[in-house]
Amino acid sequence: DIQMTQSPSSLSASVGDRVTITCRASQDIRNDVGWYQQKPGKAPERLIYVVSSLQSGVPSRFSGSGSGTEFTLTISSLQPEDLATYYCLQHNSYPRTFGQGTKVEIK
Amino acid sequence: QVQLQQWGAGLLKPLETLSLTCAVHGASLSGYQWTWIRQPPGKRLEWIGEISHIGSINYNPSLKSRVTISLDTSRYHLSLKLRSVTAADTAVYYCARFSLSVGFSWFHPWGQGTLVTVSS
Repeated sequence: DIQMTQSPSSLSASVGDRVTITCRASQDIRNDVGWYQQKPGKAPERLIYVVSSLQSGVPSRFSGSGSGTEFTLTISSLQPEDLATYYCLQHNSYPRTFGQGTKVEIK
Repeated sequence: QVQLQQWGAGLLKPLETLSLTCAVHGASLSGYQWTWIRQPPGKRLEWIGEISHIGSINYNPSLKSRVTISLDTSRYHLSLKLRSVTAADTAVYYCARFSLSVGFSWFHPWGQGTLVTVSS
């Protein structure tokens, strides 16, 4: 299985801060990675697909980058509604695997 | 608008069989992978397996010996059965549609989730 390792596992930041979450794959997954946002008590929702493409309706403060084994999700200016846990996902091979999640809290 | 509505028993005893159903509303079944994903309390999401409308199936090897995923194309129902459950199978279970093509891929939409607790 491809292991997806996210860091940090949690963070606390102020409104307006720039936030960066990293996901490292245990092998080259090309650009077969997406990011999901899960708010408390809800199902995950798609944010970004194929590394850097923003889903329709997702605010432009979210962006993704990377290739191969290192991927990054950035929130350029953290907002109160961004309180959530964020997961990376690889679909390069079976079984599909998720990162362990990054819980984002607002100071 | 595509919607997934899921249901099933929420409390099981060890060694019983988990059985969940997910109804697909407002979408064709073809061209997608219909998927089950679970999330144990406080843990990461775990992909269980998927099925296409022509019956092509992929399972997570960690669960393959106990799991059956099926798709009733006449009723638009996706089903999950997990045999011989233990406390380790306690989780919120989600159904989801996976779309994969050149230039895009995503799980969307998701069902509302079903909490399944295994306890004696």
